[in-house]
Amino acid sequence: DGGITQSPKYLFRKEGQNVTLSCEQNLNHDAMYWYRQDPGQGLRLIYYSQIVNDFQKGDIAEGYSVSREKKESFPLTVTSAQKNPTAFYLCASSHNRDRGYGEQFFGPGTRLTVL
Amino acid sequence: AQTVTQSQPEMSVQEAETVTLSCTYDTSESDYYLFWYKQPPSRQMILVIRQEAYKQQNATENRFSVNFQKAAKSFSLKISDSQLGDAAMYFCAYRSARAAGNKLTFGGGTRVLVKP
Repeated sequence: DGGITQSPKYLFRKEGQNVTLSCEQNLNHDAMYWYRQDPGQGLRLIYYSQIVNDFQKGDIAEGYSVSREKKESFPLTVTSAQKNPTAFYLCASSHNRDRGYGEQFFGPGTRLTVL
Repeated sequence: AQTVTQSQPEMSVQEAETVTLSCTYDTSESDYYLFWYKQPPSRQMILVIRQEAYKQQNATENRFSVNFQKAAKSFSLKISDSQLGDAAMYFCAYRSARAAGNKLTFGGGTRVLVKP
């Protein structure tokens, strides 16, 4: 089955530690995205990538980093510089904009808690 | 920058009845796409319906339909014959057809409660 997987489902981090969230897709999508969701709020874009080896900052990139070495994978690192990292993180993918609606498909998310 | 506003934090509907969720957006562009996503308690985001700004006909997907008013910059979602499984957060989203990337701008969401 085609889809997007995220791991782990739950992640606990001590203050001062970096952690990496995994996102893999087998939909053959060129573009991938990372969003943050805080309780009772909408999604905010952290980073996005339209093609391998290229990515751009979203609205709230400070304290996060990404890489895009493979088309299928777009890991997100939450660094110790992120002041309030406890949140729900969603990964998404889509065809690029020359493919119609370009709707995004989402993974199941990772809940990150800083202890 | 575009903004998307969902003015109803929560809506309640009786099972089998109809509920309408409002969404307004601010843009100076004429070519764009609009989406409604559903987020059930599992927190998996699911695409419900989509609309292209250049299409005058309102989109319909089974019990879900939209009322797209381009001049008013309004994109409401109607859920007909509501079912218990419709209980979720619903998010309206905007995508420019011309800006770099396929970035979505989301509204703050509306929680839908379905009463049996």
